[in-house]
Amino acid sequence: AQKITQTQPGMFVQEKEAVTLDCTYDTSDPSYGLFWYKQPSSGEMIFLIYQGSYDQQNATEGRYSLNFQKARKSANLVISASQLGDSAMYFCAMRGSQGGYQKVTFGTGTKLQVIP
Amino acid sequence: GAGVSQSPSNKVTEKGKDVELRCDPISGHTALYWYRQSLGQGLEFLIYFQGNSAPDKSGLPSDRFSAERTGGSVSTLTIQRTQQEDSAVYLCASSPPGQGVGDTQYFGPGTRLTVL
Repeated sequence: AQKITQTQPGMFVQEKEAVTLDCTYDTSDPSYGLFWYKQPSSGEMIFLIYQGSYDQQNATEGRYSLNFQKARKSANLVISASQLGDSAMYFCAMRGSQGGYQKVTFGTGTKLQVIP
Repeated sequence: GAGVSQSPSNKVTEKGKDVELRCDPISGHTALYWYRQSLGQGLEFLIYFQGNSAPDKSGLPSDRFSAERTGGSVSTLTIQRTQQEDSAVYLCASSPPGQGVGDTQYFGPGTRLTVL
């Protein structure tokens, strides 16, 4: 079974500072993918970044980077130079390779608030 | 191009009534997913379609819930005899074919269902 754990229900960060959102996972799949999504108050889920379990380098997308530590089963999201528009819920998710890739497991989310 | 669309955006219904929620995926996306998100919670997987078939219905919470997909495109989620605990945001997502664990899900804006 797959499990995603996000231990920070809420986080505050000062504008222009960097922030790390924690995500740990558990799976027995040999191959898996890890995703981060942003959900603003409008409700739509926005894809941010993807990391494959066999990728050698940490994924980066603009101000987002994924700190992937496979041995520790962690996939933390780092947001650099926080902006007010970054205030939102952030969800970590995982797709495994067993069962035909169809199931994606989401964490419970972290609410990030950026302070001016 | 157009993203995933869902209708209606809001639905208020009385307990015991049936409701239909519609999802239009991104053109060419073969995989389609339904999730439920209760207030302040993460995403609960409901059902997955690959083309018109649903290989994984394991997340449907009861036999009051059903879903179909026609023409490999539009999907309808039907909830019969709605209960107050069905109140939630129902999110639909689609994925392009053939990337395996790296399949990125693109989400619609959701349908907010309120059962009085």
